[in-house]
Amino acid sequence: DQQVKQNSPSLSVQEGRISILNCDYTNSMFDYFLWYKKYPAEGPTFLISISSIKDKNEDGRFTVFLNKSAKHLSLHIVPSQPGDSAVYFCAASVEYGGATNKLIFGTGTLLAVQP
Amino acid sequence: NAGVTQTPKFQVLKTGQSMTLQCAQDMNHEYMSWYRQDPGMGLRLIHYSVGAGITDQGEVPNGYNVSRSTTEDFPLRLLSAAPSQTSVYFCASRRGPGANVLTFGAGSRLTVL
Repeated sequence: DQQVKQNSPSLSVQEGRISILNCDYTNSMFDYFLWYKKYPAEGPTFLISISSIKDKNEDGRFTVFLNKSAKHLSLHIVPSQPGDSAVYFCAASVEYGGATNKLIFGTGTLLAVQP
Repeated sequence: NAGVTQTPKFQVLKTGQSMTLQCAQDMNHEYMSWYRQDPGMGLRLIHYSVGAGITDQGEVPNGYNVSRSTTEDFPLRLLSAAPSQTSVYFCASRRGPGANVLTFGAGSRLTVL
């Protein structure tokens, strides 16, 4: 069963506009959420994260929102730039055997920012 | 540059062949892991290690072996490759088992014919 879901495989946005990427989860035990960005032929790189005790975290053009009651998080990119074109993975962390955290990833959303 | 290094970047195998994907990190991270990425499946955890001499299974461990003899290295072995193991493999590490942010390598694309 897919505990972390990204229901939009792709998203196209005009340069300068807002990009909103969505992620839903099912496990209420997740205590930390992350977004990763992946360019072709490269490994994923960490973008931004949020603890489950917060509802918003901002870093420059990137803001992550967490709605625990809806089990939903979203990544906002404002303004979008062509260099933001990549696959975005959301991930959720849960304790998995002692003090080990396990990251569970969504299936990814391909963002295309059109010049 | 500090980080996670994977070799090889590309490999083609025939069914039944064996091979090892190498992974090394120079950040003195305790925790290392292997993921595979498949279309529509996201990143799935194969095996992980919380320190030298300690390994454990992830979500999809069948067909793969790992060992961790040093802090720096975490090789992934395919003993008898199958077409279902055609995938992109990523090695990732983080500071400790309780940390959250993973640093990924650039990936190894494996094709099994």
